[in-house]
Amino acid sequence: GENVEQHPSTLSVQEGDSAVIKCTYSDSASNYFPWYKQELGKRPQLIIDIRSNVGEKKDQRIAVTLNKTAKHFSLHITETQPEDSAVYFCAATGNTGNQFYFGTGTSLTVIP
Amino acid sequence: GAGVSQSPSNKVTEKGKDVELRCDPISGHTALYWYRQSLGQGLEFLIYFQGNSAPDKSGLPSDRFSAERTGGSVSTLTIQRTQQEDSAVYLCASSLSPARYEQYFGPGTRLTVT
Repeated sequence: GENVEQHPSTLSVQEGDSAVIKCTYSDSASNYFPWYKQELGKRPQLIIDIRSNVGEKKDQRIAVTLNKTAKHFSLHITETQPEDSAVYFCAATGNTGNQFYFGTGTSLTVIP
Repeated sequence: GAGVSQSPSNKVTEKGKDVELRCDPISGHTALYWYRQSLGQGLEFLIYFQGNSAPDKSGLPSDRFSAERTGGSVSTLTIQRTQQEDSAVYLCASSLSPARYEQYFGPGTRLTVT
């Protein structure tokens, strides 16, 4: 099955700086890569996703890049704010398209 | 509109007892997923339902775990003879169609096995 690795496990940045979280995957058949944000005690919520036919997608301060050749994708958050503090999870679909394989999460802290 | 709901929100049970966790997906969503999230860990896939097709049970950790989805809507995850290592938050998610659209998560059921 698919194996998704996520780095770093924790990340602290000063407010206004950028944050980058990286994920790698193993199954070249994976074709959908969502990112979820989970605030403390709350449910995961989708913040951005990318499909394998595009290399980059941007939504205001958040962007995701995908390199299918290298099998890695990254989340970029610019001009970070304290409310960006949360755990972020990446995921990939694997070859069946039925399952979502999640990374182990990155705990982001934005220091005011 | 109504999102994904789960019940109970918290469940404390004694080791060896059976528990049932319920998930009500968003109306019209054909795909339903169960995940387990242990403290400080990622989401572990358990089982996937799509319409009337046979479920993908490949993530269930043991034969003590089972799930049903009746009428293509409500789903129940059953854990028999609970063990302490079953303690976790169990999350349900639904999506409009399989693996192509956003998954909407429920609030989860926090299971504690004493």
